[in-house]
Amino acid sequence: TQLLEQSPQFLSIQEGENLTVYCNSSSVFSSLQWYRQEPGEGPVLLVTVVTGGEVKKLKRLTFQFGDARKDSSLHITAAQTGDTGLYLCAGSITGNQFYFGTGTSLTVIP
Amino acid sequence: SAVISQKPSRDICQRGTSLTIQCQVDSQVTMMFWYRQQPGQSLTLIATANQGSEATYESGFVIDKFPISRPNLTFSTLTVSNMSPEDSSIYLCSANRGGMNEQYFGPGTRLTVT
Repeated sequence: TQLLEQSPQFLSIQEGENLTVYCNSSSVFSSLQWYRQEPGEGPVLLVTVVTGGEVKKLKRLTFQFGDARKDSSLHITAAQTGDTGLYLCAGSITGNQFYFGTGTSLTVIP
Repeated sequence: SAVISQKPSRDICQRGTSLTIQCQVDSQVTMMFWYRQQPGQSLTLIATANQGSEATYESGFVIDKFPISRPNLTFSTLTVSNMSPEDSSIYLCSANRGGMNEQYFGPGTRLTVT
């Protein structure tokens, strides 16, 4: 059983559209991270959130950590083809080990 | 940040043999981890590589099958022993500096067992 469930599992959208990816758990995390992974590469860290209710923005990407620190969301505005990839959330309880979500495969169509 | 390299990048092995994957970090790190990933899917933590002591394995993974070494603060190896086709996967090494909430990954080793 995966500690973190992501939805949707697959997402295919047109360039310019907006999208939201969700990461949910019944566990409380001390921090939560979002990664993007492209084929043949390791995951690349996008953001770390540590405070309940925290919102962070990275250009067109907005990340939110739930008030109870059990869930998170990633919102992409005006998606571009370069956003295509596998998006992974990862939660840490102790600050050392990270447990990954089920993953969301995003395809942005030109 | 930390730059992590892995060797080999890919390999095709026969069942029953063993493969050792190397992970090198460009700076000293506190924690190193080994993950397994099926293409397009999520990562599953195999174990935490502890410097100077035995690795800590997650449920479903055992030392006899996945022996791990961590001789210093910049290097670790993972051996996949007595391989079967079910071991075909991408194996990823990662590192963080302990409590800093940042984790960096190597490019992965794509293993195919025939």
